[in-house]
Amino acid sequence: GAVVSQHPSWVICKSGTSVKIECRSLDFQATTMFWYRQFPKQSLMLMATSNEGSKATYEQGVEKDKFLINHASLTLSTLTVTSAHPEDSSFYICSAWTGAGGEAFFGQGTRLTVV
Amino acid sequence: GDSVTQMEGPVTLSEEAFLTINCTYTATGYPSLFWYVQYPGEGLQLLLKATKADDKGSNKGFEATYRKETTSFHLEKGSVQVSDSAVYFCVLSPSNDYKLSFGAGTTVTVRA
Repeated sequence: GAVVSQHPSWVICKSGTSVKIECRSLDFQATTMFWYRQFPKQSLMLMATSNEGSKATYEQGVEKDKFLINHASLTLSTLTVTSAHPEDSSFYICSAWTGAGGEAFFGQGTRLTVV
Repeated sequence: GDSVTQMEGPVTLSEEAFLTINCTYTATGYPSLFWYVQYPGEGLQLLLKATKADDKGSNKGFEATYRKETTSFHLEKGSVQVSDSAVYFCVLSPSNDYKLSFGAGTTVTVRA
C-alpha cells in the first residue's frame, strides 16, 4: 500500500526555537495532505489542510502564524512550529489522502517536546 | 455534519477472548468507513475498510461490516492476542468532502 513517511519521529527543542516536520508521500502524489495534533489518550485533532501550490486551510483556533505549512510539491508537505513553547509539546501526525471517499495514509508521527 | 461515535474504553481482555468495539456514525451521502490501529508511539495504520453498504472489511482476524440500516461499523475479533493491544479508531471518509471524522479511540489491553 501507499506509504507516508514523516520525519523526524521525535525532537526536543528549546523554548523560542523553531522546528520543522516533514511529511512525504513515497509512492503516490498527494495534492492534499493533513496535519493533526494528538494529545495524550485523545483522538486526532485536525490542524490544517495542506494543498499543493496554494495556502493551507487552518481549522478554527489554530494559529497560522505559529504553525506554518508549506506544500511545495506533490510529495512533500512541511509543518514548522515557530517560536515553540512547552504547551506546543505534543504528537503531530500527517496524512495524505487519495480522494473523496478514499483512503488516508498516515505518517509515523512526530513527538515534539519543548523544554 | 458527519460524526462518529465510538465505544469508550479502556477495554482489558485476556488472551483468546472475544473483542467487540462499537462504532456508529451519522453522515450524508455514502461515506467510506475505516478502522485504524495505533500502537504506542506510532502513527495510525489502516486495519480494514468498507466503502459501501453491506461490505465486510477484514484483516488479521478482525472484521467489521458496514451496516447502513443501523449506521454502524462494529469491529470484532474472535480471539485476541497480546500483540493486539493498541488504540483503535473508527474513521469516516465522506463521499463529498476531504475531512475525515474520527471516533474518540478505544484503548485495548490484552493480558496473557
